[in-house]
Amino acid sequence: AQTVTQSQPEMSVQEAETVTLSCTYDTSESDYYLFWYKQPPSRQMILVIRQEAYKQQNATENRFSVNFQKAAKSFSLKISDSQLGDAAMYFCAYRSVQNNNDMRFGAGTRLTVKP
Amino acid sequence: GAGVSQSPSNKVTEKGKDVELRCDPISGHTALYWYRQSLGQGLEFLIYFQGNSAPDKSGLPSDRFSAERTGGSVSTLTIQRTQQEDSAVYLCASSLWGDGSPLHFGNGTRLTVT
Repeated sequence: AQTVTQSQPEMSVQEAETVTLSCTYDTSESDYYLFWYKQPPSRQMILVIRQEAYKQQNATENRFSVNFQKAAKSFSLKISDSQLGDAAMYFCAYRSVQNNNDMRFGAGTRLTVKP
Repeated sequence: GAGVSQSPSNKVTEKGKDVELRCDPISGHTALYWYRQSLGQGLEFLIYFQGNSAPDKSGLPSDRFSAERTGGSVSTLTIQRTQQEDSAVYLCASSLWGDGSPLHFGNGTRLTVT
């Protein structure tokens, strides 16, 4: 079974600075999808970014980008020019292609943004 | 269009009572998931529905938990004889099938068992 590991329970960043959240996963599959979700205190899970494993190019969405290292099974999220509104729990997630219902989440990283 | 809708937003119930949580997915989304999130924790998979296929119930923690999805749309998660350890936020998500479509989540139902 695939597992997703987020080794940083909490992270802190100064407003306008850059922070990187780590995620590693374990899988025997060659094709899959990876996601980062944000969960603010409102508890609404919001999709931040999506990466297709067969694409070598790292996904970017405005201030959010990923560093996808397939061989290392690593999928980190970089947030540039951090804003107060970025404060939230961030979850890394893996979705299998072979088994479409297999969508697994990491334990989450709580990000604090200091003004 | 409308997102995933869950009701109620909050539910307080006494230990031993049954509760029903409702999820109305995005129209056209054939896949529907239920997750449980305990305070400050990650998401625990409970059950998955895909079209008319048999649901994947592998995540249900006990036989007190059950779920159904009527007409391929609205889903109800039922917890019988609630226990204090059932207290958590129950999140519902829906997605299109295949192609790594992202999950779209509702706001969740916070269940408190007293």
